[in-house]
Amino acid sequence: EVQLVESGGVVVQPGGSLRLSCVASGFIFDDFTMYWVRQTPGKGLEWVSLISWNGGSSYYADSVKGRFTISRDNSKSSLYLQMNSLRSEDSALYYCAKDSSKDSGSFSRWGRGTLVTVSS
Amino acid sequence: ETVMTQSPATLSGSPGERATLSCRASQSVSSKLAWYQQKPGQAPRLLIYGASTRATGIPARFSGSGSGTEFTLTVSSLQSEDFAVYYCQQYDNWPLTFGPGTKVDIK
Repeated sequence: EVQLVESGGVVVQPGGSLRLSCVASGFIFDDFTMYWVRQTPGKGLEWVSLISWNGGSSYYADSVKGRFTISRDNSKSSLYLQMNSLRSEDSALYYCAKDSSKDSGSFSRWGRGTLVTVSS
Repeated sequence: ETVMTQSPATLSGSPGERATLSCRASQSVSSKLAWYQQKPGQAPRLLIYGASTRATGIPARFSGSGSGTEFTLTVSSLQSEDFAVYYCQQYDNWPLTFGPGTKVDIK
């Protein structure tokens, strides 16, 4: 069974940093592009970042470009999101998601999410 | 950015009724359109990709249609477990974008 388990969400002050992790199981991790997607009550679902199967390519939403860095460790079936210079508008539930068919851009499985709150 | 809109915002239906949800893209996304279902406290679940292909394990009462800028998700006969929020998402243009959702609740 495919499983994605996120961790690392906490309350952090504006300007602070945080690293989210996602551990995957139940599929061949390094066959798939992986994503971070966030959700807030106000803005809904927002794609944040993606990384190709081998880590060679990564893309970011304009709202996080230059502040967030996505990475992966295929030997550990793990995905990461380093979040720097955090702002209040980064407060959200962050999901790790798996591509539907290697690199299609749709998401066949999601984790349960990890909550990031940016507040002083 | 491709802006996705969904209508209606809320759809009230009864078990057994047919439900039709709409999604519109601000520019063509070809057939690169997915539908997700989200229940309270749960992550979204993929229902449809490629505008009309059901994901693994999705019941046949869910069907998708459309291409270009206009898409439809149809639930042929609402079951109690179908009352949820439904999102569309395009993956043809960068950045990937979602619609605001349609809430399907019990009449």
